[in-house]
This record gives sequence, C-alpha cells and structure tokens, in this order.
Amino acid sequence: QQQVKQSPQSLIVQKGGISIINCAYENTAFDYFPWYQQFPGKGPALLIAIRPDVSEKKEGRFTISFNKSAKQFSLHIMDSQPGDSATYFCAARGSGGSQGNLIFGKGTKLSVKP
Amino acid sequence: DAGVTQSPTHLIKTRGQQVTLRCSPKSGHDTVSWYQQALGQGPQFIFQYYEEEERQRGNFPDRFSGHQFPNYSSELNVNALLLGDSALYLCASSLGQGARGYTFGSGTRLTVV
Repeated sequence: QQQVKQSPQSLIVQKGGISIINCAYENTAFDYFPWYQQFPGKGPALLIAIRPDVSEKKEGRFTISFNKSAKQFSLHIMDSQPGDSATYFCAARGSGGSQGNLIFGKGTKLSVKP
Repeated sequence: DAGVTQSPTHLIKTRGQQVTLRCSPKSGHDTVSWYQQALGQGPQFIFQYYEEEERQRGNFPDRFSGHQFPNYSSELNVNALLLGDSALYLCASSLGQGARGYTFGSGTRLTVV
C-alpha cells in the first residue's frame, strides 16, 4: 500500500511564528508533491506543489523543502497568521497510469494564536 | 467562473440504501475524480472519469460506481450503504487526467444511520 506519512497531527503556533509540517513517502515513482489547505466545510485547495527534481520552492510565505534521498518533504509557513488556521494535507502523485491518483497524508490541523 | 459544484451538500441515508451524488466540474475541465474523506483523515481516491469512462480506480468495492455525462458532469453511486460509508465525498475536476490541476468542490457530507 502506497503511503504518505504526515506529522504532526496538530500544531499550535503564535502569530508571526514559523509553522513546519513534515511528510515522508515510500514510493520513489511519485512525481509530483502538492500541499493542500482545507478550511472547515470546504474542499481542499491547492497551496503549493513541487517536482522531485527541485529541492525548494517558495511562493510568498509558503515554502516546500524537498529531500529526494530521504524521501521527505516539508511545508514551512513563515510569519504565520490567524487566517492560516486550517488543516493542511501533503500529497503525492503516482506516475504513468496512476497520474490521476493523489495519495494524501492524514492532515495537520494548524492553529495560529493571535 | 464557477468552480466545482457538488450536490447535495448534506445527506442522511439508512444502512442498506443506495445514494447518488452529483458533481459539475469547473468550466473548461473535462476530467472528474472522486475522493472519500473520513472524519479526521485525508481524502482517499475512489475513481476517475475521463471521456465518459472510468480510467483509474482506487481500493474501493464494486458498491461504488460512477458515471460521466457528455457535458463532463459526473455521478457517484454507492449501493448497499454501510455505516462506514459515512464521510465527506469530494469531487475534483481537472483538464486531462493528471492530478496537477485539481480543483476540489466543497463536498457532500453523507451520514449513514
């Protein structure tokens, strides 16, 4: 069973702090690694994504760090704001015939305290 | 520009019944994928429809079936409902079968009692 393992399950950060969420995967055939943000009552929304041939990608306050040899990737949220409070999911996409299938982690519930 | 529209938003069904959930993809998208999200879990891939055919399927029993119409909208059918089928069912649309351009709907919350 292909898996993506995500930690921590929950995270509390003070406003202005850095939020860090980690994921690890097993299948080296994964070729695309997105992060999704989900607010209560809403579907997941794509936040940022990275390919395995890139070690880091930054978009505004959000950065993905990718370690291909360790099969790990992480999301860093700089200057965390109360509006960032949501559940975050990492995911991985299979290659070839499994390209339409995203494997999601179990999620991290982030609370940013004012 | 309308995003992905799912209906109904909430649904309560009795064990053993059948249910149909509906999804209208984002304008310009031609592929619909369905995911099941249990409480406190990440979404799990059910199947994907492209050109009115099921193209990929996750680890779900045959009780889960679907359909895609010529206008790209899609239905998810679940037969012989079990209590464990209670979940948020998400529809994601994209242009083409790759999962890069997924847009998710807000989902249908199904409760089986």
